[in-house]
Amino acid sequence: ETGVTQTPRHLVMGMTNKKSLKCEQHLGHNAMYWYKQSAKKPLELMFVYSLEERVENNSVPSRFSPECPNSSHLFLHLHTLQPEDSALYLCASSQGGKYTEAFFGQGTRLTVV
Amino acid sequence: DQQVKQNSPSLSVQEGRISILNCDYTNSMFDYFLWYKKYPAEGPTFLISISSIKDKNEDGRFTVFLNKSAKHLSLHIVPSQPGDSAVYFCAAEGAQKLVFGQGTRLTINP
Repeated sequence: ETGVTQTPRHLVMGMTNKKSLKCEQHLGHNAMYWYKQSAKKPLELMFVYSLEERVENNSVPSRFSPECPNSSHLFLHLHTLQPEDSALYLCASSQGGKYTEAFFGQGTRLTVV
Repeated sequence: DQQVKQNSPSLSVQEGRISILNCDYTNSMFDYFLWYKKYPAEGPTFLISISSIKDKNEDGRFTVFLNKSAKHLSLHIVPSQPGDSAVYFCAAEGAQKLVFGQGTRLTINP
C-alpha cells in the first residue's frame, strides 16, 4: 500500500465511450502525475500537476483530459479512444518537484475495443 | 528520442550472486537518478536514488553507481534473492522532468 489509490483497476471501453480514471493520494503531497505504460515501451509522462495547476502536458492527444480538483485527487477523462491507447495508466504523487521520489498507484489496465 | 536507456530487456542471475543492471542517459540536465522496482500487477516502487554530486549510494544489498562522464549508472544487488525477481526501471530527473527507461526484467534462479 503506497498511499496512492487508483480506480478502477481494470477498464474495458469501446471507442465511442466516455470514461474517467480516478487517483487519490493520502500522503499530503503537492504534485500529481499521470503516466502511460505501454508494452515494451518506456514509462511515458503524460501530465504533471503542481499545487493543482497543470505544469506539463507532454503532447498528449486531446482525447485524454486531466482534471485536478484538489491536491488529493486527480482524474483522467477519456473520450473516443483508439485501440493503441490500450495500456497501463499509472498515477503518482510526490512532495515537491525536485529531488523527491514519486509514489505510484497500482495502475488502471485499460483496454480499448 | 529516448533520453534514458536500459539496453538489456532481461537479465537472469543465480541466487546468491551479484545482479548488475545498467542504465545510460543522454541529457546533461539530469541531476538526480532513481531506481524503481515493479512486480506484476503493481505500480513501480521506489528503491534507491543518487544525486549527481555523488558517485555511489548504498542501502543494504542495493548499491547505485553513477559515472557522470560516461552518463551511465548501474544498480548492484548482492546477494541476489528470489524476491528480487521483478522489472527494474531507472529514472532521471532534471529541468522539471522525470524520465524513465524501458525497464529490465530481472529473474533470480534458485
